[in-house]
Amino acid sequence: DAKTTQPPSMDCAEGRAANLPCNHSTISGNEYVYWYRQIHSQGPQYIIHGLKNNETNEMASLIITEDRKSSTLILPHATLRDTAVYYCIVRVARGYSTLTFGKGTMLLVSP
Amino acid sequence: NAGVTQTPKFRILKIGQSMTLQCTQDMNHNYMYWYRQDPGMGLKLIYYSVGAGITDKGEVPNGYNVSRSTTEVFPLRLELAAPSQTSVYFCASSRGGVNIRGEQYFGPGTRLTVT
Repeated sequence: DAKTTQPPSMDCAEGRAANLPCNHSTISGNEYVYWYRQIHSQGPQYIIHGLKNNETNEMASLIITEDRKSSTLILPHATLRDTAVYYCIVRVARGYSTLTFGKGTMLLVSP
Repeated sequence: NAGVTQTPKFRILKIGQSMTLQCTQDMNHNYMYWYRQDPGMGLKLIYYSVGAGITDKGEVPNGYNVSRSTTEVFPLRLELAAPSQTSVYFCASSRGGVNIRGEQYFGPGTRLTVT
């Protein structure tokens, strides 16, 4: 699976959009981009995933560049409860789905 | 659905003791996983299972054993506990078959300290 690079930390004001970047310059054509987050002391939570098209769900939007070498997770209206570590993971779609977690980005949402 | 449940929430072991971390899921998922997370680090895969009776090693299997006798239950066994096994342990599950979502559901974790 391709490696990813994320900033170690980011800040965001409550109510504003949080834009979390991820670089995955060695991504292969059959690899997807997944985002998970981990709120302090809890298990990770799936957010969204995509292959090449932009995706949106009730939690977030995922923007993938045309060359697929980077992506951005967007939380449109961040709340204090969105304070968490966000993990960008690149992996192929295969029969079992193990995940390789890096250190992620610590997003701090402040009032 | 309760999702993925883990017991105990916390445990302190002495060096050399053994214990079993319990994990149960009620979503009828074929695939189950055990991860550990050391302070300030990402998760590392210990073992996984693609179905009852089938298990395989992950990235850091040494010092652990697993079994999967039913779809719902996937216990993790620590033999001869060592301080290096102090960590938070997460169990997860996902649907099997043709599943490109790769969405895993995680339990709340077990915080283990070995002294």
